[in-house]
Amino acid sequence: EIVLTQSPDTLSLSPGERATLSCRASQSVGSSFLAWYQHKPGQAPRLLIYGASDRATGIPDRFSGSGSGTDFTLTISRLEPEDFAVYYCQEYGGSHRTFGQGTKVEIK
Amino acid sequence: EVQLVQSGAEVKKSGESLKISCKASGYFFINYWIGWVRQMPGKGLEWMGVIYPGDSDTRYSPSFQGQVTISADKSISTAYLQWSSLKASDTAMYYCARHISGNFPFDNWGQGTLVTVSS
Repeated sequence: EIVLTQSPDTLSLSPGERATLSCRASQSVGSSFLAWYQHKPGQAPRLLIYGASDRATGIPDRFSGSGSGTDFTLTISRLEPEDFAVYYCQEYGGSHRTFGQGTKVEIK
Repeated sequence: EVQLVQSGAEVKKSGESLKISCKASGYFFINYWIGWVRQMPGKGLEWMGVIYPGDSDTRYSPSFQGQVTISADKSISTAYLQWSSLKASDTAMYYCARHISGNFPFDNWGQGTLVTVSS
């Protein structure tokens, strides 16, 4: 089972700043089957990125994903007030689709 | 419109059984896997397992194998998560979510069901 480690645990930034979130896998994620989700309190998680770099339907282009193998990054180019949330990566190439532990992006 | 509508919050005692549901609409139910994800209080998301309603193929995370049962009734487009004997540590929010067959992520999620188990 692949273990995903996200860093940092918490990112304190101001609106308008750039956010860079990391997700490292314990072994190579085949064919970049890596997704990112946004989760806000009281809401269901929302798919942002799949295939490591493809934006899901309706996701603004300030969200971008990159990486391959064992190292992946989610970048939010300019934080909007609605972007403050917890972000999870997930690998979905195997039978067991583990999540990272999450990175909280909070207002500084 | 794709919708996954989950059953309401539950308050139970340790040792009791429970079955929560996730009713799907707006798409062909049997063409998508339905999964369950746990979020314990103050913690992250944990993938529990999935079922393919077309043939009832079911996969569990090793952490949840034997602890819960995932099932589906394709006649009413509903998936279930059940416990035979709840523990206080089962207190959590549970989400259902779907993904199409193959290597795809969860693209639609239910609103969550809060399960509270008292000892």
